[in-house]
Amino acid sequence: DIQMTQSPSSLSASVGDRVTITCRASQGITNQLGWYQQKPGKAPKRLIYLASSLHSGVPSRFRGSGSGTEFTLTISSLQPEDFATYHCLQYKSYPRTFGGGTKVEIK
Amino acid sequence: EVQLVESGGGLVQPGGSLRLSCATSGFTFSDYWMDWVRQAPGKGLEWVANINQDGSVKYYVDAVKGRFTISRDNAKNSLYLQMNSLRSEDTAVYYCSRALEVWGQGTLVTVSS
Repeated sequence: DIQMTQSPSSLSASVGDRVTITCRASQGITNQLGWYQQKPGKAPKRLIYLASSLHSGVPSRFRGSGSGTEFTLTISSLQPEDFATYHCLQYKSYPRTFGGGTKVEIK
Repeated sequence: EVQLVESGGGLVQPGGSLRLSCATSGFTFSDYWMDWVRQAPGKGLEWVANINQDGSVKYYVDAVKGRFTISRDNAKNSLYLQMNSLRSEDTAVYYCSRALEVWGQGTLVTVSS
């Protein structure tokens, strides 16, 4: 199975900050990676697919990058509604595997 | 509007069975792979299974192989997850998803005596 290591597991940031979350795959997954946002008690929402493509309706402050084994989700200017948990997911092979999640909290 | 609505969750004893359903609308169901993903309380997401458009291809995570069965009824625009021999570690919110793009609100399964 491909292991997805996400870091950090949590971070504190202020509105307007630039935030970067990293996901590392245990083997190459080309660009078969997605990023999801999840708020407490709610279902995940896809932000990014194919490592860098923005899901429809997602604000442009969210940016995904990377390929192979190293991937990054960047929020260019954190907004109040962005405080949530973020998950990466590889879909290069089965079983699909998620990273452990990154909780973005208010500083 | 795309909608996925899960149902069938509840409290079940260890060793018991439960069948989850996911009713969909707003898109051509038969065009898409469908997935089940679960989340144990306070934990991360775990992909469980998926099924191709006509139901002929299915994949499972090892933890549920031989116990869970994914299926679909394209005439009813519905996805199912038959869960047998349930264990306490299967306790989770179960989400139905259209190809991991769009997700339902989830249904809680609690396995406890």
